[in-house]
Amino acid sequence: NAGVTQTPKFQVLKTGQSMTLQCAQDMNHNSMYWYRQDPGMGLRLIYYSASEGTTDKGEVPNGYNVSRLNKREFSLRLESAAPSQTSVYFCASSGTRGPGAKNIQYFGAGTRLSVL
Amino acid sequence: SQKIEQNSEALNIQEGKTATLTCNYTNYSPAYLQWYRQDPGRGPVFLLLIRENEKEKRKERLKVTFDTTLKQSLFHITASQPADSATYLCALRPLEGTASKLTFGTGTRLQVTL
Repeated sequence: NAGVTQTPKFQVLKTGQSMTLQCAQDMNHNSMYWYRQDPGMGLRLIYYSASEGTTDKGEVPNGYNVSRLNKREFSLRLESAAPSQTSVYFCASSGTRGPGAKNIQYFGAGTRLSVL
Repeated sequence: SQKIEQNSEALNIQEGKTATLTCNYTNYSPAYLQWYRQDPGRGPVFLLLIRENEKEKRKERLKVTFDTTLKQSLFHITASQPADSATYLCALRPLEGTASKLTFGTGTRLQVTL
């Protein structure tokens, strides 16, 4: 049971380059999320998708775009990478929706990105 | 503004003792409060959830309390072991607004020594 799979695990980019981080989940979850984690800042939400076909901005969306390709896959794109985007990126998914949703999240192993 | 605070200093305790970690929040009405464990180089893993109308929840050696008057949750690990060494994150799901978002604290690193 793979859970949430992120690729790549590591990436080094030069300033101005673009790349797409891939995320897939096999738990039939409705909601998916992209976070970045920086020392002393904790996990900060970049974008999320409450259900297939919808995406919304989180706390730090600038410089990123997302695509909810289907129920399983949610990708994060950096169009023109900047050194400030050096971080560890986590994808997560959760199953339940609606006002009573507990929103327990399941995380991937992360992508460690350095922008030089 | 909404804030979740966890002690940024590492907590060092001896094996066999009880570790207690604190999560304080302001300007929040949480529906649920969750605790996650994160090991170095890995993603967070869900441990326990407590609802806003519950005072205490237990799971094996773990206990979580939730005081909505103090706006605080305490996370206890009894009979701690070196394998419990990790960073522990608290997260809130708000009562109002979208149920799809969690807000995470910065985490507290626990080090259990022999």
